[in-house]
Amino acid sequence: DTAVSQTPKYLVTQMGNDKSIKCEQNLGHDTMYWYKQDSKKFLKIMFSYNNKELIINETVPNRFSPKSPDKAHLNLHINSLELGDSAVYFCASSQNPRTGYYTFGSGTRLTVV
Amino acid sequence: ILNVEQSPQSLHVQEGDSTNFTCSFPSSNFYALHWYRWETAKSPEALFVMTLNGDEKKKGRISATLNTKEGYSYLYIKGSQPEDSATYLCAFNFGNEKLTFGTGTRLTIIP
Repeated sequence: DTAVSQTPKYLVTQMGNDKSIKCEQNLGHDTMYWYKQDSKKFLKIMFSYNNKELIINETVPNRFSPKSPDKAHLNLHINSLELGDSAVYFCASSQNPRTGYYTFGSGTRLTVV
Repeated sequence: ILNVEQSPQSLHVQEGDSTNFTCSFPSSNFYALHWYRWETAKSPEALFVMTLNGDEKKKGRISATLNTKEGYSYLYIKGSQPEDSATYLCAFNFGNEKLTFGTGTRLTIIP
């Protein structure tokens, strides 16, 4: 019944590894997002997809590659993980990116050691 | 750079008291203003979306107002309860396809 689900909830990995975070929404929303919560608890947009098409790429290092196989899924793959990538990553979706409520997943806490 | 500023950063309020806090945003290019409630260890939950100058929205004891000409929104909580403890985020859309979030006001209700 979860509207936006992310997996895994926790991810601990070594520097240099490649990892993926998965996100799925069952709300029928057209737009999905990845946000990063930085060390100051600030939510910052990374990517936005509308119906499988990338519409926002917010100057994120190209080690981060989102993939949307269909409009219900938006996965985040991270290559060559660095210590500074440690953060909580939130997936979200909305029907309308300007005036629609955003529904967030529960977050993935990534720790790079 | 279009910034969303919230004040205060944190607030302690006695149970039963009413409180309010502010979100400031650029008044040009305004499209929509969102408020979210974010409890610790959970994900942000939508409270309100406002688009028109003078908009007022209410949900139970929580209400919000919007002034797009001067670039601010207030969130009010009447008769605070312990379950109101959370971080309250506002987010601004200026006509593109994303929300820009403020840093939040962390509210703690003291029983």
